[in-house]
Amino acid sequence: EDQVTQSPEALRLQEGESSSLNCSYTVSGLRGLFWYRQDPGKGPEFLFTLYSAGEEKEKERLKATLTKKESFLHITAPKPEDSATYLCAVRTQGGSEKLVFGKGTKLTVNP
Amino acid sequence: DAGVIQSPRHEVTEMGQEVTLRCKPISGHDYLFWYRQTMMRGLELLIYFNNNVPIDDSGMPEDRFSAKMPNASFSTLKIQPSEPRDSAVYFCASATGFRQPQHFGDGTRLSIL
Repeated sequence: EDQVTQSPEALRLQEGESSSLNCSYTVSGLRGLFWYRQDPGKGPEFLFTLYSAGEEKEKERLKATLTKKESFLHITAPKPEDSATYLCAVRTQGGSEKLVFGKGTKLTVNP
Repeated sequence: DAGVIQSPRHEVTEMGQEVTLRCKPISGHDYLFWYRQTMMRGLELLIYFNNNVPIDDSGMPEDRFSAKMPNASFSTLKIQPSEPRDSAVYFCASATGFRQPQHFGDGTRLSIL
């Protein structure tokens, strides 16, 4: 069964303190890995898609990387407005290629 | 451009009542997805449509759940009869293609008492 595990479940950072979120997956053939940001009371907002090991994508203070077994979302010099839950989802070769989501990492950045 | 619009934003009702959730996808998006989000299970796909046709409803938990898409700009998810375990946040998302990024609405928070 396809599985997506995100760690840590929650992370508290001071403003400017860089860190990384992890998304590890066990799937039958990866067809894409997606990162979303979700603010309280809102729907997930698309950030990045990664397709192959070694691929990297950047947006402002966020950088997503992909290996054969996991993805990292690096946050450089975070600001309080980066506080949100970050969701990882994978699309696999198996079944109907539906997105399988992790449970997310709740990031809090204190000023 | 307007994003995906869902209504109502909040719904509180008693067990046994019929609940109807509504979604207006982004214009031009051919795919529409219904998800349910809970603390225990995270985001789970319930059903998705392509060009108004249901393609995969294997995520629909029980026969009490049904979904329709009568036209390209409107979809409903209905629960009848509702049960307390149906309490969750229900999201609708749309996309230009099955493998393209999905754009989510802000969800309906459903509480069944």
